[in-house]
Parts: sequence; structure tokens; C-alpha cells
Amino acid sequence: EDQVTQSPEALRLQEGESSSLNCSYTVSGLRGLFWYRQDPGKGPEFLFTLYSAGEEKEKERLKATLTKKESFLHITAPKPEDSATYLCAVQGDQFYFGTGTSLTVIP
Amino acid sequence: GAVVSQHPSRVICKSGTSVKIECRSLDFQATTMFWYRQFPKQSLMLMATSNEGSKATYEQGVEKDKFLINHASLTLSTLTVTSAHPEDSSFYICSARQTWNEKLFFGSGTQLSVL
Repeated sequence: EDQVTQSPEALRLQEGESSSLNCSYTVSGLRGLFWYRQDPGKGPEFLFTLYSAGEEKEKERLKATLTKKESFLHITAPKPEDSATYLCAVQGDQFYFGTGTSLTVIP
Repeated sequence: GAVVSQHPSRVICKSGTSVKIECRSLDFQATTMFWYRQFPKQSLMLMATSNEGSKATYEQGVEKDKFLINHASLTLSTLTVTSAHPEDSSFYICSARQTWNEKLFFGSGTQLSVL
């Protein structure tokens, strides 16, 4: 059964404390893995698309990596403005969304 | 966990016809549902916010007469693409916000192909 699981469900970090969010997936015929950031009351904001195992993409303090089973979103030296819900989605024949990791960065 | 059912998963239609897509929250009430459009290799674009019992709020640039949204109950929202054209071909995705904790759950998307 195709599915996406994100962990942890919630994460609290001190400002500057680096960490990683996990997105585990099982899907037939992966066409893409997407990471989004969502702020309260707003639609998801696109961050990265990864297409094949071994691929990595970076943007400011964020770095996304992909293996055949999972993706990690690494946050280096986070700041309070990085607080948001981070969503992972996988595209096979359909889209499968995780339920998100709620990140809180404390000053 | 909470489940959002979106149907159909795939639809092919002729240019000029209308297509209705359903989004149902199966085991929770959703006062608010969202409709998105996903372009190939691009970001998820919020089209409109649908509130039960009231008119939908459309994002700038989205034609409300073309993309009709109805949210008649706490578990069902529909998106009707009227007079579809090939440029409307895309993935359409819905999400439902669980009323009691505001957590967001997504449907699996509808691939619309307009010939």
C-alpha cells in the first residue's frame, strides 16, 4: 500500500540547534518527492522537489536529501522564523501527503 | 487517522465540457477545505478557500466563474471546472482542515486531461 509517514509529529528546537525531519514513503513508480512549508492559515509554500535517490537540494538553512525509502529535511542553525509545519508529498500515480511536522524554534 | 477522499482520481474530457471533482472528509468535520492546482514540477498553488455554508474565497488570478466551488456540508466540497480547455489540464488537489485541532489532511489528487 502506497503511503507517506512523517516524523516527528512535532519538534521544538532552540535557535541554532540543528536537526532533521523525516519523510518515509512507499510508492510504486516514484515521480517526485515534494517538501512544502506551511504557515498557519496559508497554503503550502513549495520548497524542493527530488526525483531520484541520492539527489540533494539546498536553500538557505534547509537541505533535502532522498533515498529509495525516505527523505530528510535538514535544518541548520534554525531561526524563529523557520517555525512552521513542514509537509512532505510523494507523487506516484496519485499524490500522497504526509501529515506534517510542526516545527517550533525558540529564541 | 483522518482520511480525505477525492474523486475521481483521473478524468479525461472534451474541450468545452464541465467536470466536477469531489472532496470528502470521511471521519471528521471540516469547516474549511482548500483547493489547489499542481503544475508539473512546480509548486502547489492555492486556488480557493472553501467555507461550509458560505461563498468560497478565491486567490488572485483564479476565475471564480470558471472554477465553481460548493461546500454544502461539513464533509463535502466540490470543484467544478466549467467549459474546460486544454490549458486547464492539471492535477487538482483538495485538503480539509479538521475543525477541532485545525490539522490539515490532503486528498490524493485528480488528474484532469482536457482534449
